[in-house]
Amino acid sequence: GENVEQHPSTLSVQEGDSAVIKCTYSDSASNYFPWYKQELGKRPQLIIDIRSNVGEKKDQRIAVTLNKTAKHFSLHITETQPEDSAVYFCAARGIQGAQKLVFGQGTRLTINP
Amino acid sequence: SAVISQKPSRDICQRGTSLTIQCQVDSQVTMMFWYRQQPGQSLTLIATANQGSEATYESGFVIDKFPISRPNLTFSTLTVSNLSPEDSSIYLCSAVTANTEAFFGQGTRLTVV
Repeated sequence: GENVEQHPSTLSVQEGDSAVIKCTYSDSASNYFPWYKQELGKRPQLIIDIRSNVGEKKDQRIAVTLNKTAKHFSLHITETQPEDSAVYFCAARGIQGAQKLVFGQGTRLTINP
Repeated sequence: SAVISQKPSRDICQRGTSLTIQCQVDSQVTMMFWYRQQPGQSLTLIATANQGSEATYESGFVIDKFPISRPNLTFSTLTVSNLSPEDSSIYLCSAVTANTEAFFGQGTRLTVV
């Protein structure tokens, strides 16, 4: 089955700098890659996603890139703000497995003022 | 997007008892899932809730311990049976919409004493 590896497990950046979180997946048939933000005590919230037919997607300060050949995808947050502090999870979904998502281990992002 | 209502939000249960968690979605969804999230950890899929039939369980999870129902497209329950302290965790339901985005309920924090 699908396996998703996420790095780093923790990331600390200065406010205003950029943050990058990387994930690799094992199933070359996976075709959907969402990113979730989870604040303490809250539910995971979808912040951006990308499908296998595109290489990059942007939404204001957030972007995701996908390299299908290398089977990895990354989350980029620019001009970071204190409210970006949270745990971020990547996930992958293949064409098999009834649309179930397999999650990475998570990255705890801390923005230092 | 779909709005998912999950209850209870938290409970403290005696070992040996059971807890049933309910999940209601405000619109029709294609798939519903149940996840477990240990403190500080990622999300682990328990099972796919199938409408009108037995759920599909992931490796390590069995129906006797985690019976699941999904009587219609927008409602599902997860029961955690014969509780032990190791079952203390956060349980999350998830629903996938027609455009394949996955959303989460607010979670149920279970403490077994």
